[in-house]
Amino acid sequence: KQEVTQIPAALSVPEGENLVLNCSFTDSAIYNLQWFRQDPGKGLTSLLLIQSSQREQTSGRLNASLDKSSGRSTLYIAASQPGDSATYLCAVRNTGTASKLTFGTGTRLQVTL
Amino acid sequence: DTGVSQDPRHKITKRGQNVTFRCDPISEHNRLYWYRQTLGQGPEFLTYFQNEAQLEKSRLLSDRFSAERPKGSFSTLEIQRTEQGDSAMYLCASSLALGTGKAEQYFGPGTRLTVT
Repeated sequence: KQEVTQIPAALSVPEGENLVLNCSFTDSAIYNLQWFRQDPGKGLTSLLLIQSSQREQTSGRLNASLDKSSGRSTLYIAASQPGDSATYLCAVRNTGTASKLTFGTGTRLQVTL
Repeated sequence: DTGVSQDPRHKITKRGQNVTFRCDPISEHNRLYWYRQTLGQGPEFLTYFQNEAQLEKSRLLSDRFSAERPKGSFSTLEIQRTEQGDSAMYLCASSLALGTGKAEQYFGPGTRLTVT
């Protein structure tokens, strides 16, 4: 059974700092991995999707990496802004089921002025 | 492309009542998923459809829950005889089928259910 863990559970950084969010998963037989952002009481916004054959994906100030063999992914946020404050969720799709996403519990990020 | 929409956004009901939620996926997406999210947790998979066929159901989906997707367009999720433990955010997502691209899942804004 796939299990996804995100560390840290919460993080507070001053504006302008670069930061890294971590995601680990127990079963390396994944089809892809998605990073999402969730604002309080809202739905999920997809940030980046990495296919199992890829090592990283970039979008603006965001860079996500994937090391499938070690079961790890990182989300790097450059030059953080107060508007980045949200919960960031990592989710994997396994090759076997190839349908559902298995989510971590998220990292709650606060960027302070 | 208007994105995934869900209705209602909030629902307050008394224990024992039935509730029904609706999800409208992105129009060209043939896969539709339901997830449930409780406070402080990540979403958990409930069920998914490819077109009108329900292909997988989680063990979380007790016999009080039923989902349909008539004609392969919108979907409904019904909860019968609601319990306080059903209080959660119910999220809908849609995607293209695997083999047609990344099959990235796009989520709606969710329906917040509170059972009193």
